[in-house]
Amino acid sequence: QSALTQPASVSGSPGQSITISCSGTSSDVGGSKYVSWYQQHPGKAPKLMISDVSNRPSGVSNRFSGSKSGNTASLTISGLQAEDEADYYCNSYSSSSTYVFGTGTKVTVL
Amino acid sequence: EVQMVESGGGLVNPGGSLRLSCEASGFTFSVYPMNWVRQAPGKGLEWVSSISSSGSSIYYADSVKGRFTISRDNTKNSLYLQMNSLRVEDTAVYYCARESRDGFHMDYWGQGTLATVSS
Repeated sequence: QSALTQPASVSGSPGQSITISCSGTSSDVGGSKYVSWYQQHPGKAPKLMISDVSNRPSGVSNRFSGSKSGNTASLTISGLQAEDEADYYCNSYSSSSTYVFGTGTKVTVL
Repeated sequence: EVQMVESGGGLVNPGGSLRLSCEASGFTFSVYPMNWVRQAPGKGLEWVSSISSSGSSIYYADSVKGRFTISRDNTKNSLYLQMNSLRVEDTAVYYCARESRDGFHMDYWGQGTLATVSS
């Protein structure tokens, strides 16, 4: 149950696009249809942003999109806005019926 | 409105015990699997445990296996986490999170309760 690997930080200017990677193994990200992404603002509970690799829940901006290739999943935020500044975590349901989170990425809007 | 309110956190000595509770409202609690997720101060999210809607299937992270017990009472719309043999590294905000019925992800989260293990 090792944590998935994410970059510690990613930054971009307003209006730009950024991509956060999430690297795992064939036992989790690579072998799972169930990769999700969560946004967490300081002092707040996490919020689901993407489920099942690329599905966007109702109410989540279409500026957020997800994808996966092999053992690496990605979250892209387009048209970056100040309100997007937060921590982002990927998550995968694994072959052992457990969940594993990513190490987390701090997004800074310059 | 879906709501989950955690309680039971506090300060405990190493080796001690705590029982966390999560009271749910605004949805049919008995048909949803539930999870506990924790976050140590300044650190990332860590999945702790999950329980199926009926309570018949339970899973734990290796870091808590044998020390923590997850349970639920569907008549009280409540989820529990019994934490024994607590260690300093168990200090964290503990969140309860509802698992979606159409996929393996957590669609709603409580605000969390802080458990501090320190002498």
